[in-house]
Amino acid sequence: EADIYQTPRYLVIGTGKKITLECSQTMGHDKMYWYQQDPGMELHLIHYSYGVNSTEKGDLSSESTVSRIRTEHFPLTLESARPSHTSQYLCASSEPQGAKDGYTFGSGTRLTVV
Amino acid sequence: QKEVEQNSGPLSVPEGAIASLNCTYSDRGSQSFFWYRQYSGKSPELIMFIYSNGDKEDGRFTAQLNKASQYVSLLIRDSQPSDSATYLCAVSPLFSGNTPLVFGKGTRLSVIA
Repeated sequence: EADIYQTPRYLVIGTGKKITLECSQTMGHDKMYWYQQDPGMELHLIHYSYGVNSTEKGDLSSESTVSRIRTEHFPLTLESARPSHTSQYLCASSEPQGAKDGYTFGSGTRLTVV
Repeated sequence: QKEVEQNSGPLSVPEGAIASLNCTYSDRGSQSFFWYRQYSGKSPELIMFIYSNGDKEDGRFTAQLNKASQYVSLLIRDSQPSDSATYLCAVSPLFSGNTPLVFGKGTRLSVIA
């Protein structure tokens, strides 16, 4: 079944640690996105990609990096975690804009930095 | 700055009533419009999309688009407690373009049994 997977589902980590949040999709979508969302708050676009070796910065990108070496894989890395990074991180993928599918979101990673 | 505006709510409606959720957008060139439902602690899920002026119906949901007024709405008929969630409006700035969707902040809907 085509889907989008995020791991880990929950992560508690100490300040200063380097972390990588994984996102993989089996739908063959070229476009992938990372969002940050605090409980009850709006989505903030962190990074996005339109295909292999393509990455773009969103509104909230300054403290993280992404890579797109394979179509199905779009990991997000925080070089030095801080308590302000505590949030839910959502990965999404899509067909080209205008297609009826819109975005498909993963289940998210809930990150807590202590 | 492209913007999508939604009333944050909460919008409270009794069970069985029609819930009306509204969204306005600033980019007159926008072509594609989406409604997502997000339950507390869960990821957004796509429930409706609309491209053309007018109404589009899918079960209990109807999306309405008025490009001249830059306005898109979602009607939920026969509202159920299970419809209680935050509803996100999203707008694509260009048809088949390479620009991410612009999301509104969402409207929280509460259906009272």
